[in-house]
Amino acid sequence: DAGITQSPRHKVTETGTPVTLRCHQTENHRYMYWYRQDPGHGLRLIHYSYGVKDTDKGEVSDGYSVSRSKTEDFLLTLESATSSQTSVYFCAISDPTLSYEQYFGPGTRLTVT
Amino acid sequence: GDSVTQMEGPVTLSEEAFLTINCTYTATGYPSLFWYVQYPGEGLQLLLKATKADDKGSNKGFEATYRKETTSFHLEKGSVQVSDSAVYFCALTLNTGGFKTIFGAGTRLFVKA
Repeated sequence: DAGITQSPRHKVTETGTPVTLRCHQTENHRYMYWYRQDPGHGLRLIHYSYGVKDTDKGEVSDGYSVSRSKTEDFLLTLESATSSQTSVYFCAISDPTLSYEQYFGPGTRLTVT
Repeated sequence: GDSVTQMEGPVTLSEEAFLTINCTYTATGYPSLFWYVQYPGEGLQLLLKATKADDKGSNKGFEATYRKETTSFHLEKGSVQVSDSAVYFCALTLNTGGFKTIFGAGTRLFVKA
């Protein structure tokens, strides 16, 4: 299995509080991604990174920011959590030398009350 | 725009039945095609892939052939098992820059003993 961990695995927080989710990889893959998975919507891309300090927005980026200061870590921050951000969040990695197939972390279940 | 369409589920089969999950795509250029599987409570895992027309991807008894003429990548298995119960996602990755992957909505498969 690809070495991808996510922390925390579960979190309950209140509306209006900031939340940071962490993704850590040991594979030295160049690209990293944050997705959210919701019933009826499949996987939706929030943000992605194509290198250290190089990030860009996905299709559902409003209310989220990211940072990547090291190859192995990709952080997702909800500046002020809302109930609509209750979801399961997945981190993924890929590399151009592997046909861009993606490897996923175990997910973080976030509940905003 | 680029998209992936897969058959809606759930699909319910008896053990040892034949499985087909249809997937069609629209894309500019020549994408790589993937099937991912998600077991309950886990992240997605790569099941198989094909990177060019007429390639056949296979793994764990599952197969899919990259059909450029019909823009399809249907997943098949000759004899399903209860352990194959999961959600299956068809996906494509564009080779222009390489990091954008588009996922289908997922098809849930239930296999009864």
